[in-house]
Amino acid sequence: GAGVSQTPSNKVTEKGKYVELRCDPISGHTALYWYRQSLGQGPEFLIYFQGTGAADDSGLPNDRFFAVRPEGSVSTLKIQRTERGDSAVYLCASSQDSARGYTFGSGTRLTVV
Amino acid sequence: KQEVTQIPAALSVPEGENLVLNCSFTDSAIYNLQWFRQDPGKGLTSLLLIQSSQREQTSGRLNASLDKSSGRSTLYIAASQPGDSATYLCAALSGTYKYIFGTGTRLKVLA
Repeated sequence: GAGVSQTPSNKVTEKGKYVELRCDPISGHTALYWYRQSLGQGPEFLIYFQGTGAADDSGLPNDRFFAVRPEGSVSTLKIQRTERGDSAVYLCASSQDSARGYTFGSGTRLTVV
Repeated sequence: KQEVTQIPAALSVPEGENLVLNCSFTDSAIYNLQWFRQDPGKGLTSLLLIQSSQREQTSGRLNASLDKSSGRSTLYIAASQPGDSATYLCAALSGTYKYIFGTGTRLKVLA
């Protein structure tokens, strides 16, 4: 597509529920990144995919967070047993080459109540 | 470990002023540095990308400079307009793929 698409744009869920956040990168971009942005903060790295594999998942906060990219295009960030502290904006970015910078999507605002 | 700091955290200026936003980073071994704009409730829009070998980049009323040796970048906005009101984020590419972000400067341009 023309840009990075993230769905849903907003998600409200109850504490303890499971959520999936979707990212559709720019066509042809092999690298995909997930970041999390809390209110008043800069985005923080979660995970980086090169193709289908997670090349670096060091930013995932705990084992409740998991991400996949089975066909090297669309990625899904999965959060189990959500907690109120998971509330944030989850941003996805893609790039053809990090030397050319990232292109970000509009984000998914997750609210855990 | 790379740390990125942005000063000031917030800035309010009258329309028409020229202004400078500052970004500093602790590890000078960066590949590039990118400036982004973020409107409330929105994602990040890339403004300028400076490679480590470059000193500055310009786009319209925006000019970004990079001084790796001192660990600093500045974003200069000329003739500011109310539509420039947003949060401006800088991000340093540490390693070959991971951007480290500052906490941003919230800019308000008053009409």
